[in-house]
Amino acid sequence: GAVVSQHPSRVICKSGTSVKIECRSLDFQATTMFWYRQFPKQSLMLMATSNEGSKATYEQGVEKDKFLINHASLTLSTLTVTSAHPEDSSFYICSARDPGLAAYNEQFFGPGTRLTVL
Amino acid sequence: AQSVTQLGSHVSVSEGALVLLRCNYSSSVPPYLFWYVQYPNQGLQLLLKYTSAATLVKGINGFEAEFKKSETSFHLTKPSAHMSDAAEYFCALGGNEKLTFGTGTRLTIIP
Repeated sequence: GAVVSQHPSRVICKSGTSVKIECRSLDFQATTMFWYRQFPKQSLMLMATSNEGSKATYEQGVEKDKFLINHASLTLSTLTVTSAHPEDSSFYICSARDPGLAAYNEQFFGPGTRLTVL
Repeated sequence: AQSVTQLGSHVSVSEGALVLLRCNYSSSVPPYLFWYVQYPNQGLQLLLKYTSAATLVKGINGFEAEFKKSETSFHLTKPSAHMSDAAEYFCALGGNEKLTFGTGTRLTIIP
């Protein structure tokens, strides 16, 4: 199956700093990637849809100026948490959609990034 | 509107017993359905998927699911539970621009 990587897997930062998380599709080109946030013992919450070469589409209630998404190539999307605060601490997961499977919206998930803001 | 309901946020079964995780869906378009498994501090791994071909779908690790349109269900089963099956399981509905996830079911295996 398709492989999606995320880096870093874990990051601890001080309040007020910015953190960048990378999501890469390793063996296919992903025109569309997704960013999710997951709180402990809860389901995934979609934050935004990232389309290569265009602006991301954010879900209602997600601050686009706080969670900057860039999808500059067909294999890389980045999520930058700007001026992070303790309430931004969470597990962030990206996924990528194989264009050949777009009809089903089958997504391949990265391993996640645990962000802890002190 | 799209929605997924997973009945039972926690399910416990004995090792070797049948695993049954329930998923019901609501969709205004032909549904494509997925079951994902998540181990602690990891991403989601696809177990199996229904994409309008065979209604009985076999996946990895001995899991299977049956699509029943009349019942709008896509329940996940495994004949004999193994300790390594302990994880969080998510049912998801595709078919439009986004995946709609259920709230998840935590499966515990009793030795």
